[in-house]
Amino acid sequence: QQQVKQSPQSLIVQKGGIPIINCAYENTAFDYFPWYQQFPGKGPALLIAIRPDVSEKKEGRFTISFNKSAKQFSLHIMDSQPGDSATYFCAANYNQGGKLIFGQGTELSVKP
Amino acid sequence: SAVISQKPSRDICQRGTSLTIQCQVDSQVTMMFWYRQQPGQSLTLIATANQGSEATYESGFVIDKFPISRPNLTFSTLTVSNMSPEDSSIYLCSVEMQGTYEQYFGPGTRLTVT
Repeated sequence: QQQVKQSPQSLIVQKGGIPIINCAYENTAFDYFPWYQQFPGKGPALLIAIRPDVSEKKEGRFTISFNKSAKQFSLHIMDSQPGDSATYFCAANYNQGGKLIFGQGTELSVKP
Repeated sequence: SAVISQKPSRDICQRGTSLTIQCQVDSQVTMMFWYRQQPGQSLTLIATANQGSEATYESGFVIDKFPISRPNLTFSTLTVSNMSPEDSSIYLCSVEMQGTYEQYFGPGTRLTVT
């Protein structure tokens, strides 16, 4: 019940495409859902996060869609660029000061 | 956000030895965490570093193997003791900004045990 399941494991898109990464959870107590971007040799960087009281959040080219009833959330990257090639992790948390439960990660490659 | 540094950035160690990893934050934070990321894998929480008291360990991680110190609100150390090749991983510290859920990660320490 503490798991966050992420798919796909890897994704290849052409420049300008819109990659979509999906995550699903079981624990309805989760109330904070961040996405992290990690480049090789670097620590994960907080990209965008959403609370379950909203269905969508946009920051620049990154959008989170949230479906509370389905217990799913997804990351969309608009107008993707080769520089977006990285590993993306979704995560979930249910209280401040609590641990983040991470998905398995998605390796994204954006081809020029 | 916060600026987080870790030392060392990488190390190659011999089996049976110990390595202490340092994590320094540029501002006072209430919550500090230590995660492990095995090669090509996701992140797993090792423990929460509590200031002035013993760390809180997750299932599968014990204090004898991963002793943690947190002497103040900006600094913590993680020791990987009696290392084996299975300990080869990236070790990451993170901090949670007070009053938020936002967690920020350091650059990581890449450990290889031979």
